[in-house]
Amino acid sequence: AQSVAQPEDQVNVAEGNPLTVKCTYSVSGNPYLFWYVQYPNRGLQFLLKYITGDNLVKGSYGFEAEFNKSQTSFHLKKPSALVSDSALYFCAVRDPPTSGTYKYIFGTGTRLKVLA
Amino acid sequence: GAVVSQHPSRVICKSGTSVKIECRSLDFQATTMFWYRQFPKKSLMLMATSNEGSKATYEQGVEKDKFLINHASLTLSTLTVTSAHPEDSSFYICSAPSAGGWDEQFFGPGTRLTVL
Repeated sequence: AQSVAQPEDQVNVAEGNPLTVKCTYSVSGNPYLFWYVQYPNRGLQFLLKYITGDNLVKGSYGFEAEFNKSQTSFHLKKPSALVSDSALYFCAVRDPPTSGTYKYIFGTGTRLKVLA
Repeated sequence: GAVVSQHPSRVICKSGTSVKIECRSLDFQATTMFWYRQFPKKSLMLMATSNEGSKATYEQGVEKDKFLINHASLTLSTLTVTSAHPEDSSFYICSAPSAGGWDEQFFGPGTRLTVL
């Protein structure tokens, strides 16, 4: 079964500092990995995805993620954090094309708090 | 990007009543939609896959008779919480995959259900 793990419930970072939100995955076959962000009482917004290609994926709002096959990780990063980045971040893996579905499996979420 | 709406955004009901939540894809057609439940400070739990023109596919442990799903058209899926109880209080979110299926999903803004 596919799964993702987000080992940190919360990450605190000072504004202007680089941030990393961790995600590791377990899949059979090629991974289809995503990061989403959720602001309070809102739905999820897409940040970026890895399907194939370059291991460094660039996404919305200056975020990027590095796919590392050997470490089965897909950590979310940003060079300089903003207070407005404070939100709940979800890593997700989706079923492969052979499954015939588009189902996502979400991690438990990491709350990012950027301190002014 | 594509827009998914949910209605109502917030609902309060008495125990024993039924509540219907609508999920609409506003500018694209969605043969498949997903319903999630999110508990406070917890991840999203996939409840079911809503399929236009056929029965929904429920995840293990989700009561079909409790959470009725109807995918009436290519732009509308409804979730009806029947005989609601306080433990059904939660944040319900729907999503729909993009046209190609392999890009991101588009999430609705969520519906906060409170059962008194």
